[in-house]
Amino acid sequence: DIQMTQSPSSLSASVGDRVTITCRASQSISTRLNWYQQKPGKAPSLLIYGASSLQSGVPSRFSGSGAGTDFTLTISSLQPEDFAIYYCQQSYSTPPVTFGGGTKVEIK
Amino acid sequence: QVQLVESGGGVVQPGRSLRLSCAASGFTFSNFAMHWVRQAPGKGLEWVAVISFDGTNKYYSDSVRGRFTISRDNSMNMLYLQMNSLRGDDTAVYYCANGGGNYVAPIFGMWGQGTLVTVSS
Repeated sequence: DIQMTQSPSSLSASVGDRVTITCRASQSISTRLNWYQQKPGKAPSLLIYGASSLQSGVPSRFSGSGAGTDFTLTISSLQPEDFAIYYCQQSYSTPPVTFGGGTKVEIK
Repeated sequence: QVQLVESGGGVVQPGRSLRLSCAASGFTFSNFAMHWVRQAPGKGLEWVAVISFDGTNKYYSDSVRGRFTISRDNSMNMLYLQMNSLRGDDTAVYYCANGGGNYVAPIFGMWGQGTLVTVSS
């Protein structure tokens, strides 16, 4: 099974900050990497698929990059509604589908 | 509109069974693989099971294989998860999710609101 490791597990940032979250796969997954945002009490929602493609309706301040084993999610200018938990997920070798452990973005 | 609505969660004793349902609407259900993903309280996301668009292929996580069964009724636009021999570590919010057209390369663009299963005596 492919293991997905996110870092950091949590971070504190201010509105307007640039935020970067990293996801590392235990083996190469090409660009089969998706990012999700989850707010308290809500289901996750898709932000980025295929490592860098922005899901329809997602603000352009979100971007994704990477290939192989190392990926990043960047929020260019953090907004109040962006405080949430972010998960990566590989879709290269399934089943099983595997998710990263999550990164909680908190208000500084 | 496009919607997935889970139901069937609740409190159940260890060793007992429960069946979850997921009603799909607003899209052609029979075209898509469907998944169950769960989230234990305060924890991350854990994939549980997938069923192909036509129901012929099914896969499970190691943690539920042999105890849980995924099924679907395309005529009713319904997805199910039969959960037997429930354990305390099955306590979680269970989400149904549309994984797109390729069941081995899922991108979860659509999720239900989740249903809480609590396994406790």
